[in-house]
Order: sequence, then structure tokens, then C-alpha cells
Amino acid sequence: GAGVSQSPSNKVTEKGKDVELRCDPISGHTALYWYRQSLGQGLEFLIYFQGNSAPDKSGLPSDRFSAERTGGSVSTLTIQRTQQEDSAVYLCASSLGDRRNEKLFFGSGTQLSVL
Amino acid sequence: AQSVSQHNHHVILSEAASLELGCNYSYGGTVNLFWYVQYPGQHLQLLLKYFSGDPLVKGIKGFEAEFIKSKFSFNLRKPSVQWSDTAEYFCAVETGRRALTFGSGTRLQVQP
Repeated sequence: GAGVSQSPSNKVTEKGKDVELRCDPISGHTALYWYRQSLGQGLEFLIYFQGNSAPDKSGLPSDRFSAERTGGSVSTLTIQRTQQEDSAVYLCASSLGDRRNEKLFFGSGTQLSVL
Repeated sequence: AQSVSQHNHHVILSEAASLELGCNYSYGGTVNLFWYVQYPGQHLQLLLKYFSGDPLVKGIKGFEAEFIKSKFSFNLRKPSVQWSDTAEYFCAVETGRRALTFGSGTRLQVQP
């Protein structure tokens, strides 16, 4: 596709359930990022993948959060045992090349609501 | 840890007015600086960036930003705004090739 694709666009879940969010980056982009944005706040870094290197997981808020990137392309962010404070917009971005943060192309995000 | 402050949360201007959006960061070392913009119904996109060199950087759509190291600032400016500039603007800072730290954003509303 032409841009970063995220699915679902909206997800409503009950507290304690697991959710999976998907990101399909721009073809050829080696770097992939996950951020989240809570209401009225800035984007919060979660995790960064670059090629075959070990991901930078330093932003994951707890061990309930995990992400993987298969085949250097599609990524899945998994949140286990969701809590109400996990409610946010989860944004995925990708970029071309080895320089981190050079120019991020963002998807439209997944709005997660935990009831 | 570094932080980024955007003190103006909501700015309302008339068309042709001049714009300046504030961005201050807290980090004493070398920084790289960015402004991202999100137009209504669209994705976040890069407006401009500063890595090194001339502290006055120009971006798309007539925007510019000035890095003032002594003030820890990277304010965004445009001499004359248009209705189409209505959007949310985010300042971001990168230190040591680590993750970007974003401000909380400034919502700009331009009235025709």
C-alpha cells in the first residue's frame, strides 16, 4: 500500500482481555515504531524495530505489553490483561534507512477503549 | 529524562495573521529537533527538522523554525497563516539517537 496501515481502527474490549493491534509498514521501510497517545498528552514511545537488530523495548510500560515483527514487515502489538489505563490511540510509524527517527511515516492509529 | 513543553494548547488566529508556536525542551546535550503536523482526518507527517547547521530551518508550506540553544527552544513560525493550516502541531526532541520525545501538541484553528 501507499502508506502505513493499521488495524483495527477502533477496538473496544473489556478489562482483563487480551488485544492484538496490527501494523503494516510502507514497503521497503526497515524501521518500525510503536507509539501511543493518551487523551491530551503527547506521543509516548513504546518500541522500535530496525531490520534484524534486537528491538528497543525501553518504552514498553509493563510486561503486559509485547510486540513482534515478522519477516521484517508486519508488526503486532499485544496487550495482555488490558487495564482501563491502556485506553489510548496506538500509532505505528515506519521509516526508510538506518538512521533512527530520520522521517517517520505514521499510520492512522488504533483507538483502544478498555471498559 | 528529557521533556518537551508546548505551552500553547489551543491557538485561534485569523487568516493572514502571523504564527509562532512555542516549543521548549529540557536536555543539556546535543539534540535533534522536529515539528510534526496532523491535519484533520490525516496522518501525522513531518513538517521540518533540525539536525545541525543553520539554526533557522525551513519546512513545507512556508513554515520555519529557529533553534535557539541558549533558550532550549525550537519555536515554529509562519508569517501569514491560511485556513488550511488548521491542524495539530507536535514538537519532538531526539537525544543520542534514542526515541523521540513529543510534546503534548498545540491545536491551531485558523478562522477565515
